[in-house]
Amino acid sequence: EAAVTQSPRNKVAVTGGKVTLSCNQTNNHNNMYWYRQDTGHGLRLIHYSYGAGSTEKGDIPDGYKASRPSQENFSLILELATPSQTSVYFCASGGQGRHAEQFFGPGTRLTVL
Amino acid sequence: QQKVQQSPESLIVPEGGMASLNCTFSDRNSQYFWWYRQHSGEGPKALMSIFSNGDKKEGRFTAHLNKASLYVSLHIKDSQPSDSALYFCAVMPNYNVLYFGSGTKLTVEP
Repeated sequence: EAAVTQSPRNKVAVTGGKVTLSCNQTNNHNNMYWYRQDTGHGLRLIHYSYGAGSTEKGDIPDGYKASRPSQENFSLILELATPSQTSVYFCASGGQGRHAEQFFGPGTRLTVL
Repeated sequence: QQKVQQSPESLIVPEGGMASLNCTFSDRNSQYFWWYRQHSGEGPKALMSIFSNGDKKEGRFTAHLNKASLYVSLHIKDSQPSDSALYFCAVMPNYNVLYFGSGTKLTVEP
């Protein structure tokens, strides 16, 4: 089965600090995604990528950067973390085409103090 | 920007009962729709997709789509406690991006 892993699973950061969330997929999918999940908002798309070297802005990219150094890895970077970025972050990978479902990782719970 | 709204926010049904989840979307050009399910402490997983108007049945799950009414629904027959989860409607305006609703929390009581 498709496998998407995330690290760390839990992270406590200080306001103004830099945070990097990592995601690895072994599905050989071209597309990868970063979402955040907050109660009442569902899943909101932050950044996504069509392949190594590419990143695209999603609905809520402000305060976040993304990096896709390889097919397998996709990182989300918070250069200056703020308490409003406290959330659960999910990475997903997916193929292309309308039948291509997205496969999600287990999530990273980030708390910014 | 695509808006996806789900109702109700939460739903409690007895074991063996029928659960009905609703979703409306704003973009009339939307073509592809998915339902995802998330159990507590896990990432979401795709449940089923629907692309044509009408009903699509997969086991105990039936999705219904009416593009003209900007409406998609999910019905779960013979609900089981293991169906207790957060259910998301997702709209795929193109081949690569999904827009999710805020979710419906389903609780199936034994």
